[in-house]
Amino acid sequence: QSVLTQPPSASGTPGQRVTISCSGSSSNIGSNTVNWYQQLPGTAPKLLIYSNNQRPSGVPDRFSGSKSGTSASLAISGLQSEDEADYYCAAWDDSLNASYVFGTGTKVTVL
Amino acid sequence: QVQLVQSGAEVKKPGASVKVSCKASGYTFTSYGISWVRQAPGQGLEWMGWISAYNGNTNYAQKLQGRVTMTTDTSTSTAYMELRSLRSDDTAVYYCARAYYFDYWGQGTLVTVSS
Repeated sequence: QSVLTQPPSASGTPGQRVTISCSGSSSNIGSNTVNWYQQLPGTAPKLLIYSNNQRPSGVPDRFSGSKSGTSASLAISGLQSEDEADYYCAAWDDSLNASYVFGTGTKVTVL
Repeated sequence: QVQLVQSGAEVKKPGASVKVSCKASGYTFTSYGISWVRQAPGQGLEWMGWISAYNGNTNYAQKLQGRVTMTTDTSTSTAYMELRSLRSDDTAVYYCARAYYFDYWGQGTLVTVSS
């Protein structure tokens, strides 16, 4: 179902930098901006990054986003234990009747 | 502060319908759309569709066309999502979220479909 591809898992020790990739196509990431969501266990997703690289108020600057062509990435620098969560990229897709597509999700583990 | 508060958990039999509500507060309801997203147990996020709270225009995910209806009641700032002909694979947590960026989410409503 998901049309945006992410690695299933990523990990790092506290203080390290972790990067998550998100691969799409010309109809979604290639044409529209990318948003990222963090989902802690048992909770609703939370907007982490919008418009490729913008942080909502309250999101630490340890989180950063970027986009190039049909791919995007989320970086977490200075990894902390509370960052252990699932992360999803998402974008509007022009080819699917203006559908919103999510990535497959990446589980980040803090070792 | 912006809040989206959803209705409680539901248990339905296959073939039945379910209607989940999402009451918004803390912002002008008609200035934003509402999207619905679901998450099956242990699975990722799936977008179900979107409704404009301004004029009621809708856009549904292709796979749910014909089974889902989204509506709003601007007098109570509440959005609704009705899913019909429920199947076991509709068992999921259903979320509402404020569009365009999905910047605020409801707490989720567990819908269990089981005979």
